[in-house]
Amino acid sequence: AQSVSQHNHHVILSEAASLELGCNYSYGGTVNLFWYVQYPGQHLQLLLKYFSGDPLVKGIKGFEAEFIKSKFSFNLRKPSVQWSDTAEYFCAPHQTGANNLFFGTGTRLTVIP
Amino acid sequence: ETGVTQSPTHLIKTRGQQVTLRCSSQSGHNTVSWYQQALGQGPQFIFQYYREEENGRGNFPPRFSGLQFPNYSSELNVNALELDDSALYLCASSLDPTRENTEAFFGQGTRLTVV
Repeated sequence: AQSVSQHNHHVILSEAASLELGCNYSYGGTVNLFWYVQYPGQHLQLLLKYFSGDPLVKGIKGFEAEFIKSKFSFNLRKPSVQWSDTAEYFCAPHQTGANNLFFGTGTRLTVIP
Repeated sequence: ETGVTQSPTHLIKTRGQQVTLRCSSQSGHNTVSWYQQALGQGPQFIFQYYREEENGRGNFPPRFSGLQFPNYSSELNVNALELDDSALYLCASSLDPTRENTEAFFGQGTRLTVV
C-alpha cells in the first residue's frame, strides 16, 4: 500500500536555525516527489519538485531537498530559517501512472523571531 | 497566484443538505483533481476529472460526485452532508495526467462547515 510518513508533526525553531524535515514514502516503481507549503490563510504552493536527474533539488525561498532512493526519503532542508517560513509543510509523492498526489500529514513549522 | 479559482470561499450547511463547490482550472489545463483537507491533516484525494470523465477516485463514498465541463472547470457535489464533511476542499488543475512530470496547481480552497 502507498504511504508517506512525515516524522515531525510540529517543529519550533528560532530565526537563523537550520531546518530539516523528514519524509519517507513506500512506493514501487518511478516516483515524482513534491514538497508543498501552506502559509496561514493561503493556498498550497509548490516549494520544490524532483522528477529525475540530480537528486539534490533547489526550490523557492532557499529551500532544498535530497532524494535518496535507497532510503525512500526526500527530506526538506533550509540552512537558515526566517520568521516568514512559519507554515505547514507537506511532502507529496506521486507514483508515475497514478492519478493523484498522496500527501503526508504535514509538519507545522513555527519560527520564533 | 496559481490561476486556479474556487468558489465560494466559505460555506455553512446543515447536516443532511447538499452542497456544490466550483473550480476554474488554470488556463491550458485539462485535468482537475479534488482533495479534502480535514483540520490538522494532509489533503486526501477525492477524485480526478480528465476530459469530462472521472479518471480515478479515492476512498470516498458515492455521495461525493463531480462534473467537468467542456471548458475544463469542475464541480464537486456532496449529498446528505455529515458533520465529518466539515473540511477545506481543494481543487488542483494540471495538464494531461498521462504525461510524465505533471505538476498540480492548487486553488485557495472552500472551507465547508457542516452544523
